[in-house]
Amino acid sequence: QSALTQPRSVTGSPGQSVTISCTGANSDVGGYKYVSWYQQHPGKAPKVIIYDVSQRPSGVPNRFSGSKSGNTASLTISGLQAEDEADYYCCSFVAAYTLAFGGGTKLTVL
Amino acid sequence: QVQVVESGGGVVQPGRSLRLSCEASGFTFSNYGMHWVRQAPGKGLEWVAVIWYDGINKYYADSVKGRFTISRDNSKNTVYLLLDSLRAEDTAIYYCARDSGNYRRPDRWGQGILVTVSS
Repeated sequence: QSALTQPRSVTGSPGQSVTISCTGANSDVGGYKYVSWYQQHPGKAPKVIIYDVSQRPSGVPNRFSGSKSGNTASLTISGLQAEDEADYYCCSFVAAYTLAFGGGTKLTVL
Repeated sequence: QVQVVESGGGVVQPGRSLRLSCEASGFTFSNYGMHWVRQAPGKGLEWVAVIWYDGINKYYADSVKGRFTISRDNSKNTVYLLLDSLRAEDTAIYYCARDSGNYRRPDRWGQGILVTVSS
């Protein structure tokens, strides 16, 4: 399973929007509608914020949204807040019930 | 509420074995698959393995296939990960996580347990 490709870091100011990309292949991101996104604060366990490309679990603010085009999935965070500063990981279902994570993106809120 | 709690980590010499445990509560354990995911110090997440609700189907990352074994005991609400032939690159925090219900993603995560492989 190859890791999915994410930018190492993104930066935004409070109130702005940022988008984090996650690029895979036809065998993972492009082949299934099962892309999820996780938020991880330092020293904490990951928390799912988007699943099935664009679905939001209850309790996750609607400032978080997901989409997919071809082999690339995207996470957009609008109205940035200081508490959004964290690491973000994409995850895709791959054939034969295996999963692949992206390398992670560090979001800095200036 | 849903809880998963890992145990069994520690320092182990290269080539040795270690068994991690993960005890679940707050949901019907026997209805859900369970995942292990690891994170090397300062690195990203790496999916390790999944076991189906009944313990029959198991799938592994290529990086651990043949060395790690996932199992479960539904009578004890516990999933295990046996780590054999450990290498320095297996040093990581190991997270246990409940599956979402359709084997498409980890859903609820534990706080993780540190495994350090060092002589």
